[in-house]
Amino acid sequence: DVKVTQSSRYLVKRTGEKVFLECVQDMDHENMFWYRQDPGLGLRLIYFSYDVKMKEKGDIPEGYSVSREKKERFSLILESASTNQTSMYLCASSGSLHNEQFFGPGTRLTVL
Amino acid sequence: DAKTTQPTSMDCAEGRAANLPCNHSTISGNEYVYWYRQIHSQGPQYIIHGLKNNETNEMASLIITEDRKSSTLILPHATLRDTAVYYCIVNLYNQGGKLIFGQGTELSVKP
Repeated sequence: DVKVTQSSRYLVKRTGEKVFLECVQDMDHENMFWYRQDPGLGLRLIYFSYDVKMKEKGDIPEGYSVSREKKERFSLILESASTNQTSMYLCASSGSLHNEQFFGPGTRLTVL
Repeated sequence: DAKTTQPTSMDCAEGRAANLPCNHSTISGNEYVYWYRQIHSQGPQYIIHGLKNNETNEMASLIITEDRKSSTLILPHATLRDTAVYYCIVNLYNQGGKLIFGQGTELSVKP
């Protein structure tokens, strides 16, 4: 079975801190994604990557950056965390073209 | 991407079939219908997808109308563990996986 793991289930940071959210998949998938999920707004795509060192902006990239140095790992970076980035962050991967994405368990980030 | 419309919530008795509708009247000829679900506090889970033929797998069946303007996800024998938010998504087959999740239908399976 595909496994997508995220570094933390819960994270509390302070405003202005640099935050790293890590995601690892074990199925050699080419595509990886970062979403955030907020009540009433559903899942929104932040960034995605089709291959190592490649990245594409999603619908809400402002305030975020990403890194994909290895195929299995996709990191989401909050350069200077703000309270409006308090959210559930979900990582996903996909190896085929038919859009079956496999999601991690999520990281609930609170920025104080 | 075509927009989808789903009821906000539905109830279903345990052991009965759960039929979740989705309208996608602006779907184009090369767009697929995908269904995902999200159980509370977990990441979304892929269920099934189809283009125009009905599809069935170990989790569910997908019925797509002939004009492709609507579809129904069927869970044949709903259990309490099927309580979740169900998302209907319309997308191109090879768009590289960029999915747009709407609000979904919150299905409550009751004993």
